[in-house]
Amino acid sequence: DTAVSQTPKYLVTQMGNDKSIKCEQNLGHDTMYWYKQDSKKFLKIMFSYNNKELIINETVPNRFSPKSPDKAHLNLHINSLELGDSAVYFCASSQSPGAGELFFGEGSRLTVL
Amino acid sequence: DAKTTQPPSMDCAEGRAANLPCNHSTISGNEYVYWYRQIHSQGPQYIIHGLKNNETNEMASLIITEDRKSSTLILPHATLRDTAVYYCIVRVGSGNTGKLIFGQGTTLQVKP
Repeated sequence: DTAVSQTPKYLVTQMGNDKSIKCEQNLGHDTMYWYKQDSKKFLKIMFSYNNKELIINETVPNRFSPKSPDKAHLNLHINSLELGDSAVYFCASSQSPGAGELFFGEGSRLTVL
Repeated sequence: DAKTTQPPSMDCAEGRAANLPCNHSTISGNEYVYWYRQIHSQGPQYIIHGLKNNETNEMASLIITEDRKSSTLILPHATLRDTAVYYCIVRVGSGNTGKLIFGQGTTLQVKP
């Protein structure tokens, strides 16, 4: 069983559209994250949730709205997609917000045309 | 910004030890050093972490200098599958809002 799974793995869409990426973890962890890796390969944290509560929001445009229906799921919804949103988005989880051992998903590659 | 600096790239012969250095001169006394790697097209993978003592697990060893201003990740017998970008990370912030800031990392190329 995959510990942290993301869907879809690939997403190609037009500018201006709205899209969502889903993430689920079966590790029983309390904390989940979204990271963005751009074309230059820099990995940047976007959000962190602990037990469904937002604890880190890294000055991400408000077109990005994370939602955590329960502690095993953290979804990322993006409105009005722009070319610069093209990237690989990684979901991750950890046992607690203070833990430094994160388990990452395989990534979702978003291409905005 | 990342609190660590690493060489951008390194080569290693298959079967030899790969020693990946990292500088973290501004590390505080209670901050851990974490190492992750990212194999092409995959998510980052946790390798090891340490505070001040040397650490070893099934993947690697971590040597931290006495002054804690630098560390070295050692892959004892590198294989072609160890080719990846290796990230040395010091957590920024504390408590629930602490976060892992990934720098540029070191691209390790293991050659046959």
